Amino acid sequence: DAGITQSPRHKVTETGTPVTLRCHQTENHRYMYWYRQDPGHGLRLIHYSYGVKDTDKGEVSDGYSVSRSKTEDFLLTLESATSSQTSVYFCAGGDFGNTIYFGEGSWLTVV
Amino acid sequence: RKEVEQDPGPFNVPEGATVAFNCTYSNSASQSFFWYRQDCRKEPKLLMSVYSSGNEDGRFTAQLNRASQYISLLIRDSKLSDSATYLCVVNKGRNTDKLIFGTGTRLQVFP
Repeated sequence: DAGITQSPRHKVTETGTPVTLRCHQTENHRYMYWYRQDPGHGLRLIHYSYGVKDTDKGEVSDGYSVSRSKTEDFLLTLESATSSQTSVYFCAGGDFGNTIYFGEGSWLTVV
Repeated sequence: RKEVEQDPGPFNVPEGATVAFNCTYSNSASQSFFWYRQDCRKEPKLLMSVYSSGNEDGRFTAQLNRASQYISLLIRDSKLSDSATYLCVVNKGRNTDKLIFGTGTRLQVFP
């Protein structure tokens, strides 16, 4: 058990609506990450956080925003969902120089 | 050139076989290396870290070749339960917590 839970695990939403995915950790990891995984691309970093209220962009951050108001929670928001954001989203947590541990994933379909 | 490259496979091997995967990385400043395992529709899980001197964990052996910028994973005495996708993971450069994931190598072990 990596101590990282994601919600919702599955969601179908309509194009143009905002969507928020939640990641909650119980391991006091300083770093938290949001990745998306698509066939042929592997895992790509969307945003990450290196502390409360400290976040930075990853390689595919357009259309996404994040917030981390406390150590335990890292939220990913799709401001206006598009079909290209249909994907599986993984949250992860870890500490500098060490391995990272993943949540079980959130499957998002934008119709 | 991709930052981390892997042969996608699939590698189809019989039980008991030995199989090896290679992964190349482009940033010579990378310092952290890992192998993760991912089962279908599951989250990636750490298989093992890769150390400069090479390391072994049961049937699994990982090697790092800094001069040629590749890491390898050797699996001996393959089991049916080893069937999965193996992800090569490298940090993006010196003193960074950003991890780059390869697209994975799929292994299928058959009876």
